[in-house]
Amino acid sequence: QSALTQPASVSGSLGQSITISCTGSSGDVGGYNYVAWYQQHPGKAPKLMIYEVSNRPSGVSNRFSGSKSGNTASLTISGLQAEDEADYYCGSYTTSGSWMFGGGTKVTVL
Amino acid sequence: QVQLVESGGGVVQPGRSLRLSCAASGFTFSGSGMHWVRQAPGKGLEWVAVISKDRSNKYYADAVKGRFTISRDNSKNTLFLQMNSLRAEDTALYFCSTADTGSLRYWGQGTLVTVTS
Repeated sequence: QSALTQPASVSGSLGQSITISCTGSSGDVGGYNYVAWYQQHPGKAPKLMIYEVSNRPSGVSNRFSGSKSGNTASLTISGLQAEDEADYYCGSYTTSGSWMFGGGTKVTVL
Repeated sequence: QVQLVESGGGVVQPGRSLRLSCAASGFTFSGSGMHWVRQAPGKGLEWVAVISKDRSNKYYADAVKGRFTISRDNSKNTLFLQMNSLRAEDTALYFCSTADTGSLRYWGQGTLVTVTS
């Protein structure tokens, strides 16, 4: 059970757009549409931002969007704001019935 | 509103056991699968285990298989994680979370487990 692969860090200026990738395999990201994204601020619990690849829970800004192509899922944050600075994790259901997270990406707003 | 409150964490010696609890409220607990997820200090999220709403299915991460047991009491709206043969690498903040539409929807604030001699 290796973690999904995410870049360690991504940065962008206020108002810009950034994209975080999450690469897995056909046994997880590529095989199911159960890919989600979580935001975690320091000292806080994770918060669900995207579920089932591209759906936003109520209350989550439409600046957050998700997509998937093959074994790679992506999270795009448009109109970057200061409060978006946080760690982001992708997560996926896997063939074995278990779940898996990515290693996390630290987003820095310049 | 949905509330998940973990408890039972603490400092324990290697090889010993600990039982975590997660008290749930604000939703139909018996209608939701539940997860445990952990986060070692300064590290990323690591999925630990999941249990179906009726307890019929349980899955574990390889790192805890055979040592940890997930269970639930739907009459008390409570989720448990029995942790045996604890190791230093089990030191982490342990979160419980609801299983919902292919994601982990709601999260508690976590309970800290420290395994040290």
